[in-house]
Amino acid sequence: QVQLVESGGGVVQPGRSLRLSCEASGFTFSNYGMHWVRQAPGEGLEWVALIWYDGSNTHYADSVKGRFTISRDSSKNTVFLQMNSLRDEDTAVYYCARAYRMDTAMVPDFWGQGTLVTVSS
Amino acid sequence: DIVMTQSPLSLPVTLGQPASISCRSSQSLVYSDGNTYLNWFQQRPGQSPRRLIYQVSKRDSGVPDRFSGSGSGTDFTLKISRVEAEDVGVYYCMQGTHWPPWTFGQGTKVEIK
Repeated sequence: QVQLVESGGGVVQPGRSLRLSCEASGFTFSNYGMHWVRQAPGEGLEWVALIWYDGSNTHYADSVKGRFTISRDSSKNTVFLQMNSLRDEDTAVYYCARAYRMDTAMVPDFWGQGTLVTVSS
Repeated sequence: DIVMTQSPLSLPVTLGQPASISCRSSQSLVYSDGNTYLNWFQQRPGQSPRRLIYQVSKRDSGVPDRFSGSGSGTDFTLKISRVEAEDVGVYYCMQGTHWPPWTFGQGTKVEIK
């Protein structure tokens, strides 16, 4: 069955870095772009980043541009989110989600369970 | 960026009764290919989001037929024909026409009266 398993969350001080991972299984990873979407405690959903199915292109929300980097390792069926210069407002559950490469809208059609990142001194 | 506005933000419903959620976009969501990329997600308490509806009215696999989507241009609606206990949660609309960024509505919390 399709699975997306996030890891790497935790408590980190402002200004420090953290790297999230999302391991995919149960589908052909190379056919899917991968999103990261976050949800602050008690709040709604905010799109963070997307990497294309072949890694050739990436997109970022303005709120994280220049601080976060999305990448993928097809040999490991894993997508990463490198988060630098973390701020209090980055505190959230981070979800990875897949988007079929032939979908014009690149809409997330399956989500992982999420990993919690807490930025606090 | 496209702004998605949902109403109401809270929706108490009696079991077995219908429910309706509105979503409006700040610009038309009709893409150059003629399709409209408006989606609905359900997030049950303590769970990750699940896509219910894509392209306004197409149900994802396994989604009960009591869920239906409609609308066009900038105005869209998610309807639940008869609310069941398992439908409790927060519902989000999301546009995939004008990206990046992909943008979500604020969410509508459905609860049982």
